[in-house]
Amino acid sequence: TQLLEQSPQFLSIQEGENLTVYCNSSSVFSSLQWYRQEPGEGPVLLVTVVTGGEVKKLKRLTFQFGDARKDSSLHITAAQPGDTGLYLCAGATGNQFYFGTGTSLTVIP
Amino acid sequence: SQTIHQWPATLVQPVGSPLSLECTVEGTSNPNLYWYRQAAGRGLQLLFYSVGIGQISSEVPQNLSASRPQDRQFILSSKKLLLSDSGFYLCASYGDTRSSYNSPLHFGNGTRLTVT
Repeated sequence: TQLLEQSPQFLSIQEGENLTVYCNSSSVFSSLQWYRQEPGEGPVLLVTVVTGGEVKKLKRLTFQFGDARKDSSLHITAAQPGDTGLYLCAGATGNQFYFGTGTSLTVIP
Repeated sequence: SQTIHQWPATLVQPVGSPLSLECTVEGTSNPNLYWYRQAAGRGLQLLFYSVGIGQISSEVPQNLSASRPQDRQFILSSKKLLLSDSGFYLCASYGDTRSSYNSPLHFGNGTRLTVT
């Protein structure tokens, strides 16, 4: 079993603030995905990063894959209440997808 | 696109009773299928995955088993439930005829299992 640690576990911020979520592992992954999950639903894919050092932007969200493909970060600029949810990273190796420990984000209006 | 059907949505079962959760997939053929368990507000633990009919790989030793009797059907079972089996169970599908490394895992809406 591969372990991916996310930090922080919980984050509560005011609308308009910036934040960064980290996903760290000692394992190398062929790709890394970020998902967002709402209560009572399955996770939904936000982005996939494949190349070490890759940076992808999705509106106010910026994703980076570490050079060694062991870690990743998610940065949100000017957070909005609609960003509230559980953020999960997932590392892919072979046929398996291993998920991180999760970061629960609450954005207060 | 793929659609994952899971049922039931919620289930309350006594300790020692059997379990059968079913997952079916539409919109793809020969997908990889996965069962995950999730504690409240936490990440997903990979329980089983399958690359084809009758092919099951287990990630962790546990009280559960999985079967794939048809290409788009994945079943999670237990003969006798334990209190520790409580959790949110998610079925996921990956891969289709156009899949690439950018393809997502497609999830069902999960089953909330409470063992009492």
